[in-house]
Amino acid sequence: GAVVSQHPSRVICKSGTSVKIECRSLDFQATTMFWYRQFPKQSLMLMATSNEGSKATYEQGVEKDKFLINHASLTLSTLTVTSAHPEDSSFYICSAKRTSGGASYEQYFGPGTRLTVT
Amino acid sequence: AQSVSQHNHHVILSEAASLELGCNYSYGGTVNLFWYVQYPGQHLQLLLKYFSGDPLVKGIKGFEAEFIKSKFSFNLRKPSVQWSDTAEYFCAVSPRTGRRALTFGSGTRLQVQP
Repeated sequence: GAVVSQHPSRVICKSGTSVKIECRSLDFQATTMFWYRQFPKQSLMLMATSNEGSKATYEQGVEKDKFLINHASLTLSTLTVTSAHPEDSSFYICSAKRTSGGASYEQYFGPGTRLTVT
Repeated sequence: AQSVSQHNHHVILSEAASLELGCNYSYGGTVNLFWYVQYPGQHLQLLLKYFSGDPLVKGIKGFEAEFIKSKFSFNLRKPSVQWSDTAEYFCAVSPRTGRRALTFGSGTRLQVQP
């Protein structure tokens, strides 16, 4: 149990276009999901906290108008990178916390999405 | 704000050698502590966690970690590594309250040579 999926796993897009990444909790409900960004050979940096039914909470320095987050249901959060630029190329990882059951501190991670902007 | 530092960026060991990866954190309140592992091509998996109680915690695959409050440390250990332990290891902390978002260390790449 506690499986998190991401789609797509890889995406290549042209500069100026928008890309949507989905994060789904497959066998549990998640009120809270987190979006991270991982640069090559670096750690995960928290971008934002996605809350079902309310606005996301963005970390300092993360442009909320560029990285749009929608958490429309208890099993799905989406991250849309708008007007993508080459510097947005990165590995985006989501995680989800169970709404009920299990340890409240435990996050389950998705496999990540490799975004390349050309 | 909390921060996590991992002292070893790249560690190369031979099989059966002992492992210790350092992790120190800074935070003004009480925290939960974690070690995550990322095997090549796979997603992050929880290796072990410390929430409260016995500061020596045991995780999967023979790993353990000791929380030393006075040193703000949570070092990961394994007495005898295997080739299959080759992976990236991340130490992480989260506050006990609030969003409980994770702050990760920079990671340590462990390479175990057969």
